[in-house]
Amino acid sequence: DAGVIQSPRHEVTEMGQEVTLRCKPISGHDYLFWYRQTMMRGLELLIYFNNNVPIDDSGMPEDRFSAKMPNASFSTLKIQPSEPRDSAVYFCASSPQADQPQHFGDGTRLSIL
Amino acid sequence: KQEVTQIPAALSVPEGENLVLNCSFTDSAIYNLQWFRQDPGKGLTSLLLIQSSQREQTSGRLNASLDKSSGRSTLYIAASQPGDSATYLCAVNDYKLSFGAGTTVTVRA
Repeated sequence: DAGVIQSPRHEVTEMGQEVTLRCKPISGHDYLFWYRQTMMRGLELLIYFNNNVPIDDSGMPEDRFSAKMPNASFSTLKIQPSEPRDSAVYFCASSPQADQPQHFGDGTRLSIL
Repeated sequence: KQEVTQIPAALSVPEGENLVLNCSFTDSAIYNLQWFRQDPGKGLTSLLLIQSSQREQTSGRLNASLDKSSGRSTLYIAASQPGDSATYLCAVNDYKLSFGAGTTVTVRA
């Protein structure tokens, strides 16, 4: 079975540019999560969706961040405009139900110069 | 807000020794607790999930216990091997996952 698929794996861009990260969850999983991992703050939940609807976006750091889930098999996390402090590894995860294991993608390593 | 703490932050043991990794959390109203492994530059691999109604869960050389009332979980890895070297993360699910900072394990051959 295919796992959670994230693209791109690495992204390097200049400050001020728009960045779009993509995620394809495991088929049949109703929950999708976006996390960010940094050395300073560890792993933090940014936002999660249930059946394509955003449920909790309290972890989104600023209005520069936005996330969408137009259908059950695709989600995007967008940063506009990007800043150097956004540099981190961004993970997408999915699970069948809220109390079931979350399965993580390999992450997108983002560097903002 | 849920706070998750992992002790120790790092651990180095000779091959064959048993590993004991600790996780504590502040709010006991949880769905479950999940242990993950992360290798450098890689994603997270789920090792074990313990539902809030369970006391322990086992998979091969791994055993995880949960004491919800005291807010503690322990991951035991028996007969450690160099391939067990990685960072181990504990995550508490109270509708969303809150992660500890992890324990970085080095198993010396």
